[in-house]
Amino acid sequence: DVKVTQSSRYLVKRTGEKVFLECVQDMDHENMFWYRQDPGLGLRLIYFSYDVKMKEKGDIPEGYSVSREKKERFSLILESASTNQTSMYLCASSKGTVRTYGYTFGSGTRLTVV
Amino acid sequence: RKEVEQDPGPFNVPEGATVAFNCTYSNSASQSFFWYRQDCRKEPKLLMSVYSSGNEDGRFTAQLNRASQYISLLIRDSKLSDSATYLCVVNNYGQNFVFGPGTRLSVLP
Repeated sequence: DVKVTQSSRYLVKRTGEKVFLECVQDMDHENMFWYRQDPGLGLRLIYFSYDVKMKEKGDIPEGYSVSREKKERFSLILESASTNQTSMYLCASSKGTVRTYGYTFGSGTRLTVV
Repeated sequence: RKEVEQDPGPFNVPEGATVAFNCTYSNSASQSFFWYRQDCRKEPKLLMSVYSSGNEDGRFTAQLNRASQYISLLIRDSKLSDSATYLCVVNNYGQNFVFGPGTRLSVLP
């Protein structure tokens, strides 16, 4: 079974802190994604990556950056955390053709910014 | 108009009932369609893909209507364990998915 592991299940950070959310997948998937999920808004795409050192902005990239130095690891960075970034963050990965294989999600990181 | 729309529910149904959810999408060029299931405080998991000809997996049936731009999910003989949020997912291009806000189902004893 593919595993997508997110480093923290719950995280509490202060406003203005730099925050790193880590995601690692163990099945050599090319594609990796970061979403946030908020009540009433569903899942919204922040950033994605189709290959090492490659990144693309999703629908809501403002206030975030990403890093993909190795194929298995995709990090989400909150440059200066703000209270409106309190959310559930979900990492996902997929093989080459998403239409065929779909996504596999990590178990999520619930981030609270105080 | 949102790209993918769903009735948020909740749908409260007794065990054994048949329940159906619809989902509409706005992009007529959408290519692939899926239903994901998300349990409370858990990550979404793929339930089934939706094919043009319709497809069935046990008690679950998915249908696609391209002309009217909606997909549906039918659950027969509902079980308590079917209680979850059901996410409609559309792939328009590339490797990205667009998620609907989800429909919450509660199956009652």
